[in-house]
Amino acid sequence: GQQVMQIPQYQHVQEGEDFTTYCNSSTTLSNIQWYKQRPGGHPVFLIQLVKSGEVKKQKRLTFQFGEAKKNSSLHITATQTTDVGTYFCAGSDYKLSFGAGTTVTVRA
Amino acid sequence: NAGVMQNPRHLVRRRGQEARLRCSPMKGHSHVYWYRQLPEEGLKFMVYLQKENIIDESGMPKERFSAEFPKEGPSILRIQQVVRGDSAAYFCASSPKGGPTDTQYFGPGTRLTVL
Repeated sequence: GQQVMQIPQYQHVQEGEDFTTYCNSSTTLSNIQWYKQRPGGHPVFLIQLVKSGEVKKQKRLTFQFGEAKKNSSLHITATQTTDVGTYFCAGSDYKLSFGAGTTVTVRA
Repeated sequence: NAGVMQNPRHLVRRRGQEARLRCSPMKGHSHVYWYRQLPEEGLKFMVYLQKENIIDESGMPKERFSAEFPKEGPSILRIQQVVRGDSAAYFCASSPKGGPTDTQYFGPGTRLTVL
């Protein structure tokens, strides 16, 4: 099955700074989905990328799907305290194969 | 428009007891997925069900675990003779069509603690 790896595992960010989390797959993905999970909460769908080289933006969040459809990234600009949580990427072939996530903490 | 509902939200069991976790999908969704999340880890797929059918149970342990999604009522994940290693958060998700590009909507989860 699909194996999805994410780095870094932890990201400590100063409020106002930017950061990027990366996702890599051992196989070509038909699509990739990103979720956010707050501490003690459940995964909440953020976005889905389907096309090779696709870039999508949601306010301060920029999502990118690699040309080979084997990697993806999430870039957050001007980090806020509301960005705290764990960000997961997941490959989908109807069941989701999640990466281990990047847990983000923010220093005010 | 209610989202995915799971109950109980927290469940405590002693070793050897049975745990029953319930999931009601979003209205109009006939595809249900169960995932398990150990502390500090990502979610791991367990089983995918449609009404009255198990489509894929490749992620579910062959012993002690079973799942169903009857024609009427919620989907049930059942764990018999629980052990400490079963302690985890169990999330249910539902989707409308079941295809690879279908968005899955997650419930709040059931946190199982085995004493």
